[in-house]
Amino acid sequence: SQTIHQWPATLVQPVGSPLSLECTVEGTSNPNLYWYRQAAGRGLQLLFYSVGIGQISSEVPQNLSASRPQDRQFILSSKKLLLSDSGFYLCAWSSGTPRYAEAFFGQGTRLTVV
Amino acid sequence: AQKVTQAQTEISVVEKEDVTLDCVYETRDTTYYLFWYKQPPSGELVFLIRRNSFDEQNEISGRYSWNFQKSTSSFNFTITASQVVDSAVYFCAPPEDYKLSFGAGTTVTVRA
Repeated sequence: SQTIHQWPATLVQPVGSPLSLECTVEGTSNPNLYWYRQAAGRGLQLLFYSVGIGQISSEVPQNLSASRPQDRQFILSSKKLLLSDSGFYLCAWSSGTPRYAEAFFGQGTRLTVV
Repeated sequence: AQKVTQAQTEISVVEKEDVTLDCVYETRDTTYYLFWYKQPPSGELVFLIRRNSFDEQNEISGRYSWNFQKSTSSFNFTITASQVVDSAVYFCAPPEDYKLSFGAGTTVTVRA
């Protein structure tokens, strides 16, 4: 069966520090991968998606970046965090295009920038 | 542009009441899938159901049921005899080729 792992679950980082959130998927190959951010009480904002290794599409200009060094690994990074980067970050995968395939989510990372 | 609309921002009910969540999808496509997801207070999103637009029969899974009405482009979700554990944000999601986007969500609060 397929599983998705996202870590850490909680993170408190000072302004200006770097960030690295990691997400890995097991039990499938060539998944579509996604990073979302959710501010408190708000909806889901798609940050990045990837349909293959090395292929990253950015949805929102910001000081975050994403990389997919391996087929089932998706990393969200920042060189210098801002207060506005605080939020709940979710990684997800789907077996194909979201036009037909449902997505499965990690447990999320709650990031607080102080 | 194609999009989903979840007009209900928040719904509050007493336990055992039924709750119906609305989702309207604007599209020129004749065949498509729509999806529902649940986000409980723990935060993790959980996939609930995927339905194709050509199938307008009600889908029932326990206390959950879904009704797809193509004539009005609506994909409604009903929780029968709601329970406190049903308290969550429910998202309707439209079909897109690469991105995975969501409606604004409806927050359901079930009070004991």
